[in-house]
Amino acid sequence: KAGVTQTPRYLIKTRGQQVTLSCSPISGHRSVSWYQQTPGQGLQFLFEYFSETQRNKGNFPGRFSGRQFSNSRSEMNVSTLELGDSALYLCASSFTGVVTEAFFGQGTRLTVV
Amino acid sequence: GIQVEQSPPDLILQEGANSTLRCNFSDSVNNLQWFHQNPWGQLINLFYIPSGTKQNGRLSATTVATERYSLLYISSSQTTDSGVYFCAVRMDSNYQLIWGAGTKLIIKP
Repeated sequence: KAGVTQTPRYLIKTRGQQVTLSCSPISGHRSVSWYQQTPGQGLQFLFEYFSETQRNKGNFPGRFSGRQFSNSRSEMNVSTLELGDSALYLCASSFTGVVTEAFFGQGTRLTVV
Repeated sequence: GIQVEQSPPDLILQEGANSTLRCNFSDSVNNLQWFHQNPWGQLINLFYIPSGTKQNGRLSATTVATERYSLLYISSSQTTDSGVYFCAVRMDSNYQLIWGAGTKLIIKP
């Protein structure tokens, strides 16, 4: 059974640009969550999607957005990149999103210069 | 909101030693997971353990939900056990995992 796949693995972008990250969950899983990890803030929740609907959103500015497709694949977009957006972005997949185990992809390491 | 505290923040041990990592949480949870983050950043699932005790090889975990804590035991440590260990919890009707700050474990040969 394939795991959670995140693409790309590494990205270097310039301030002001926008970026789109992709996450393909485990087959059959309908919940996808996104987290940002930085040395200073630890792991922070961005948003969660289930059956193409956003069910919860963390405390991030509107520059951070996401969506989920009918095949459960998810994308997150960050517009007008800032230096502080440099981080490891992790995607989690689970069957329902609440009382089920979450599995993570390898992450996308974004560097903003 | 719910608070998750992990201790100790750092732990340095010799190969072969045993260790106990602790996770305290401030409210009732219906989901608790332990992860090991490797040097490349990937979070590896260790245990899904909202309550009770589980064992997997040299690792075991116990969650006492009524007292709001969980313990991760690592026996006969190996250098490959090095990394950061995270505890994460989820509450009823809440779709996000709340994370502890992690325990950084260094196993010296």
